[in-house]
Amino acid sequence: DVKVTQSSRYLVKRTGEKVFLECVQDMDHENMFWYRQDPGLGLRLIYFSYDVKMKEKGDIPEGYSVSREKKERFSLILESASTNQTSMYLCASSLHHSYEQYFGPGTRLTVT
Amino acid sequence: DQQVKQNSPSLSVQEGRISILNCDYTNSMFDYFLWYKKYPAEGPTFLISISSIKDKNEDGRFTVFLNKSAKHLSLHIVPSQPGDSAVYFCAASWAQGAQKLVFGQGTRLTINP
Repeated sequence: DVKVTQSSRYLVKRTGEKVFLECVQDMDHENMFWYRQDPGLGLRLIYFSYDVKMKEKGDIPEGYSVSREKKERFSLILESASTNQTSMYLCASSLHHSYEQYFGPGTRLTVT
Repeated sequence: DQQVKQNSPSLSVQEGRISILNCDYTNSMFDYFLWYKKYPAEGPTFLISISSIKDKNEDGRFTVFLNKSAKHLSLHIVPSQPGDSAVYFCAASWAQGAQKLVFGQGTRLTINP
């Protein structure tokens, strides 16, 4: 069964902290994605990766960075958390030439 | 600029009736469309998709219709069941898009018994 896991379901951080969100998939997928979901805005792509050590900016990369050292793991980093980064963060993965993405359960991050 | 729009934030339907969720897009390059369903505290799950070479795709109770000239797609659920209550997102992609998806804002569907 396809599985994408995210390290935390809920996270509370202070403004200015460095935050790491981890995502692991067990399907040997080449593509991995990070989105944030906000009310009225849907899912917006932050970064994606189509191979180990490769990364591409999505639509809203400002304030974020990513790391993909292993095929199964894709990390999202908030260099200095701000209150406007309070959101639901969703990780997804897909096969190289497939449109169908599989999502993790999400991490609800609150920055105070 | 919202390239994929779901103009109805919410929809309420009686159990057993048809639910119709709508989605509009602006980018003519989009050639593949998907619908995802999301329950609270869970990630979205894939529901059904359609390629731009088709105008209809059916899977059980779910049918997606694509009108390319109007840049419009719709998801029909017949008959609607209480378990269909969720947020539905439409998404679009294109051949040169590296399998990226552009999502709409979502529509919250509530099925009333």
